[in-house]
Amino acid sequence: AQSVTQLDSQVPVFEEAPVELRCNYSSSVSVYLFWYVQYPNQGLQLLLKYLSGSTLVKSINGFEAEFNKSQTSFHLRKPSVHISDTAEYFCAVSDRGSTLGRLYFGRGTQLTVWP
Amino acid sequence: GAVVSQHPSRVICKSGTSVKIECRSLDFQATTMFWYRQFPKQSLMLMATSNEGSKATYEQGVEKDKFLINHASLTLSTLTVTSAHPEDSSFYICSANLGGVKAEKLFFGSGTQLSVL
Repeated sequence: AQSVTQLDSQVPVFEEAPVELRCNYSSSVSVYLFWYVQYPNQGLQLLLKYLSGSTLVKSINGFEAEFNKSQTSFHLRKPSVHISDTAEYFCAVSDRGSTLGRLYFGRGTQLTVWP
Repeated sequence: GAVVSQHPSRVICKSGTSVKIECRSLDFQATTMFWYRQFPKQSLMLMATSNEGSKATYEQGVEKDKFLINHASLTLSTLTVTSAHPEDSSFYICSANLGGVKAEKLFFGSGTQLSVL
């Protein structure tokens, strides 16, 4: 079975500051890795994913995450945050051999960006 | 992009009553839908996989007679919490698989907050 740990339940930062949301996972098999974002009163949206290839993946709005197999981590980073980045962020893993929808989620990190 | 509509967004009910939650794929057909629940400060946990035209597959520890899932069409799956009790109070969220093996094919509803008094 897989498990996901998001070490920080809340991360408050000021606008234009850098941020890192941490995610570690445990699995006995190879996995796909995902970050989802949930804005207030909206559904989960895929932010970025690692399936294969380059271990550094980037989103269109400036976030990036790096898959580190040795440390079993997939931390999310952004060099300069905006107030509009305020949201709940979920890290998730999926067994490469299982149905796509069988995602295992972390408990989420609430990112709050202050002006 | 593809949208999944979940209704209601919030429901309060008395203990012993049943509550139905709907999950609709608005602009695509979803042969597979998934139901998750989330307790405060905890992870989203997969409850069951709903397949159109067949019985749902429940995760270990999830009571299938308690959480009835119906996927009668390619655009609608429903979750009914039967004889709800306060311990069933939780955040329920559905997702629908557009198909394929890439993550962008999976879309989530906005969730339903169930409170059982």
